[in-house]
Amino acid sequence: EVKVVESGGGLVKPGGSLRLSCAASGFTFGSYSMNWVRQAPGKGLEWVASISGSYSYIYYGDAVKGRFTISRDNAKNSVYLQMNSLSVEDTAVYYCAKGGGRYGELYFDYWGQGTLVTVSS
Amino acid sequence: ETVLTQSPATLILSPGERATLSCGASQSVSYNYLAWYQQKPGLAPRLLIYEASTRATGISDRFSGSGSGTDFTLTITRLEPEDSAVYYCQDYGRSPALTFGGGTKVEIK
Repeated sequence: EVKVVESGGGLVKPGGSLRLSCAASGFTFGSYSMNWVRQAPGKGLEWVASISGSYSYIYYGDAVKGRFTISRDNAKNSVYLQMNSLSVEDTAVYYCAKGGGRYGELYFDYWGQGTLVTVSS
Repeated sequence: ETVLTQSPATLILSPGERATLSCGASQSVSYNYLAWYQQKPGLAPRLLIYEASTRATGISDRFSGSGSGTDFTLTITRLEPEDSAVYYCQDYGRSPALTFGGGTKVEIK
């Protein structure tokens, strides 16, 4: 059974930093991309970042480029999102999601339950 | 970056009816790399369809996807109360620019 579990969310002040973690199991972790998608309160889905299984590519959405860093540790079946220079616009539920395609196609077939990040003074 | 426009914004139907949800892209979706997700309140999205028409593992055959180029459709037949949710389309054909549509809310009354 595939499982994806996020952690690390919380309340942070504008300009602050936070690191999210995502632990995955039930599949060959290093063979698939891992991704972060967020959802602001009452809003739709917004793709944040992706990292391939073999570290061959890392992609970011325009809204977070230069502030967020995605990384992974295949030995620990984990992916991380380091978020710096946070603003109120970053307030959202952050979902970790497994990439569905064996060849790197970036649709998302398994999602975690999400972790809430609130940026407020 | 592709803009995905979903219509209608809200669909109110009765059990047993058919729902037709549209997703229009501002430019052609490469390789028909278009996915559909279902999201119920308070829960994570669930993948329904990828490559425009391939059902994900465990998804009922009441859900079907069709379309190509810039026009895509998600059809839900024999609606059940549990189908009440927001449905999103996603273009993943122009990596690294991944985009989601704004969603269609389906209410079953």
